Amino acid sequence: EVQLVESGGGLVQPGGSLRLSCAASGFTFSSYEMNWVRQAPGKGLEWVSYISSSGSTIYYADSVKGRFTISRDNAKNSLYLQMNSLRAEDTAVYYCARPGLQQLRAFDIWGQGTMVTVSS
Amino acid sequence: DIQMTQSPSTLSASVGDRVTITCRASQSISSWLAWYQQKPGKAPKLLIYKASSLESGVPSRFSGSGSGTEFTLTISSLQPDDFATYYCQQYNSYAGWTFGQGTKVEIK
Repeated sequence: EVQLVESGGGLVQPGGSLRLSCAASGFTFSSYEMNWVRQAPGKGLEWVSYISSSGSTIYYADSVKGRFTISRDNAKNSLYLQMNSLRAEDTAVYYCARPGLQQLRAFDIWGQGTMVTVSS
Repeated sequence: DIQMTQSPSTLSASVGDRVTITCRASQSISSWLAWYQQKPGKAPKLLIYKASSLESGVPSRFSGSGSGTEFTLTISSLQPDDFATYYCQQYNSYAGWTFGQGTKVEIK
């Protein structure tokens, strides 16, 4: 079964750090680009970051640029998001999402999400 | 950045109704548009990609159309399982995938 499973969320104080992980299974992870998308409580979806299949190309939303770092380990079939200098407005469910090849890069597979709460 | 505007924000409808949701892009995105369905506490689910291509396993009552800056998602006959929030997403360029603000389809 094709699956993405996020972990690493939790409660962190403003200014703190957290590292999210996304474990992929059921497909050739190294062949796919990957993304992080977040959703604040009661709000819509916001794209956060993109990484190419090799890890050589990376993009960030302006709202997280300079604070978040996306990375991947193709040998471990894993995607990561290092989040530093966290703010209250970063509170959200964070999803990893796969752009499908047949779906011409629309996000065909999503994880279940991991909740990040930034609060003192 | 490309902005995506959905309308309406909320839609009240009955089972069996034909429902249409509109998504407008601030600049042309060709046909690089997807539609997702999200239910409370769940991850989004891909319905439509490339503006009008139906994702495998999605019921044929869902359809998408449009190109350039104006797009629509149509549900031909609303079913109880379709009450959810729907999002459009542009993926025209690599440097920013943008979602619409969402349309909540409620029971009338």
